[in-house]
Amino acid sequence: DADVTQTPRNRITKTGKRIMLECSQTKGHDRMYWYRQDPGLGLRLIYYSFDVKDINKGEISDGYSVSRQAQAKFSLSLESAIPNQTALYFCATSVGGSSREQYFGPGTRLTVT
Amino acid sequence: GENVEQHPSTLSVQEGDSAVIKCTYSDSASNYFPWYKQELGKGPQLIIDIRSNVGEKKDQRIAVTLNKTAKHFSLHITETQPEDSAVYFCAASMKTTDSWGKLQFGAGTQVVVTP
Repeated sequence: DADVTQTPRNRITKTGKRIMLECSQTKGHDRMYWYRQDPGLGLRLIYYSFDVKDINKGEISDGYSVSRQAQAKFSLSLESAIPNQTALYFCATSVGGSSREQYFGPGTRLTVT
Repeated sequence: GENVEQHPSTLSVQEGDSAVIKCTYSDSASNYFPWYKQELGKGPQLIIDIRSNVGEKKDQRIAVTLNKTAKHFSLHITETQPEDSAVYFCAASMKTTDSWGKLQFGAGTQVVVTP
């Protein structure tokens, strides 16, 4: 079974709708991240969380919000989706400490029409 | 903040040849440089990394070199095989007081290995 799962895998929504992307992990890692991938721009950090009580903005947090419901769950919300939020979204986890390896989920392809 | 540039954006190689991807970074405080491979329909996966106290690291057919003075690092893949076809991302990270650094990714390189 996958260690980092994301739901849904694909989503088409309309401008102005609220949408939530969910991430769950069974790795037991404290640290979780949300990235956005656009062609030619690589991966850009949206939000990250060190633990359940810690939430931090990343490089491109405007228009997004997150919730860390438990150590294993980290959700990304778009309060009012707009077309330029069409992208591939990835959740990742890391154990922290001296290891900086991040483990990515399979991604959610979001299309805003 | 840190800025990472990656070249080329696409790379086509014949099976068996070598592939080289280059990245430059802007912040001399960066001290950790991972490379991730993203296969079609999947999330990125770490394939090799290097820390600033090391100049070169090898793992079978892949190697990474780091030039701290010039602030650039490169991924080398030898004897390429069709399964090496993927998007490769470089990244740079600084060590913060809590021993964690955000990863700043390059734009990615699409590698195509033709038989």
